[in-house]
Amino acid sequence: EAGVAQSPRYKIIEKRQSVAFWCNPISGHATLYWYQQILGQGPKLLIQFQNNGVVDDSQLPKDRFSAERLKGVDSTLKIQPAKLEDSAVYLCASSFYRGNTIYFGEGSWLTVV
Amino acid sequence: GESVGLHLPTLSVQEGDNSIINCAYSNSASDYFIWYKQESGKGPQFIIDIRSNMDKRQGQRVTVLLNKTVKHLSLQIAATQPGDSAVYFCAAISGGSYIPTFGRGTSLIVHP
Repeated sequence: EAGVAQSPRYKIIEKRQSVAFWCNPISGHATLYWYQQILGQGPKLLIQFQNNGVVDDSQLPKDRFSAERLKGVDSTLKIQPAKLEDSAVYLCASSFYRGNTIYFGEGSWLTVV
Repeated sequence: GESVGLHLPTLSVQEGDNSIINCAYSNSASDYFIWYKQESGKGPQFIIDIRSNMDKRQGQRVTVLLNKTVKHLSLQIAATQPGDSAVYFCAAISGGSYIPTFGRGTSLIVHP
């Protein structure tokens, strides 16, 4: 069974530029999560989708971050404009349904300079 | 909101010893718990999970213990190997919100 796919794996951008990350969850998984992991810390949930609807985005900095999952399968997370403090690993994860085991991708590493 | 914390940021053990990593959670409504292993440069990898109707669950070389009274869970790794060196996270999920919350992680260092 294929795992959670993410791209790109690494990205370096200048502050105020924009960046987009893509995620394809495990086939059949209805719930998709985007997490931000700053070096030395645990993952912090940014947004949770159930199919193509947003379940929770309370910790998403909506002035600069946006995410969508239009067809209820793959998802895109965008940052515009980026700030230095956005340097982190952006982890996508999925689960069959809410409350089920969550599986992570390898992450997209963002460095903002 | 939920907070999840690990007791020690770093744990050093000798190869072959048993390792115990502890985690505390704050929300008594949390009813599902997952342990993850994260190696350098990789995403968190599922190890084992436990639901609140259980107090112990065993996997291959790993055991999770849950004490709901004191809101504490632990991950025990038997016969620790160098390949077990990684950062370990616990995550707690409450049935009401289904929002998974992670702790800061414990770095396990296994000395050969």
